[in-house]
Amino acid sequence: QSVLTQPPSVSGAPGQRVTISCTGSSSNIGAGHDVHWYQQLPGTAPKFLMYVNSNRASGVPDRFSGFKSGTSASLAITGLQAEDEADYYCQSYDNNLNGPVFGIGTRVTVL
Amino acid sequence: QLQLQESGPGLVRSSETLSLTCAVSGGSIRTTSSSWSWIRQAPGKGLEWIGSVYHSGTTYYTPSLKNRVTISIDTSRNRFSLRLTSVTAADTAVYYCVRPSDGPGVWFDPWGQGTQVIVSS
Repeated sequence: QSVLTQPPSVSGAPGQRVTISCTGSSSNIGAGHDVHWYQQLPGTAPKFLMYVNSNRASGVPDRFSGFKSGTSASLAITGLQAEDEADYYCQSYDNNLNGPVFGIGTRVTVL
Repeated sequence: QLQLQESGPGLVRSSETLSLTCAVSGGSIRTTSSSWSWIRQAPGKGLEWIGSVYHSGTTYYTPSLKNRVTISIDTSRNRFSLRLTSVTAADTAVYYCVRPSDGPGVWFDPWGQGTQVIVSS
């Protein structure tokens, strides 16, 4: 069971918008710790996608956006493309564990 | 461009010790980051931070592995290592070496390609 909760899967048709939620608690996101996101294509290592809640990593298209409020964060993908089909992980820091924590991951399926 | 490459046995017997090394290329391990980390991913599961090592040798580990894990750094050879003792099937995973960002709000970039480790009985 992960400290950060994500939906197991989300799906959308090409061109649509999908949102992935990442829910934490007062010991991590709610404590003011930033949220970062990673994309993992099948059979590959995770790729750094977004840092400090809403900043895209180098080379990441502006179809990806991030948001954080209270004890939750979200990643949105607009104009969904087939190449976006992957697992997405949120990550923050937890005061109780005294270290970085990840969500369980969300599989995005392009219909 | 900074690159990380894991190496080590892909098969470890239960109760024995898992040892992996991460070679850093494209930059100095002493200057491109103040710390280095290991993260693992069990089959079909999410990501788990294992621990981090600083140049000073200071280490931080996830509580659930604290009693079995050692992360060390060799600046002269531009590499860092992971040692996990008394492994069980639960330690079967892909192990990634990563560079944490410096400063508050740590994130991880880049990642090594990962190395699969299977614990056999």
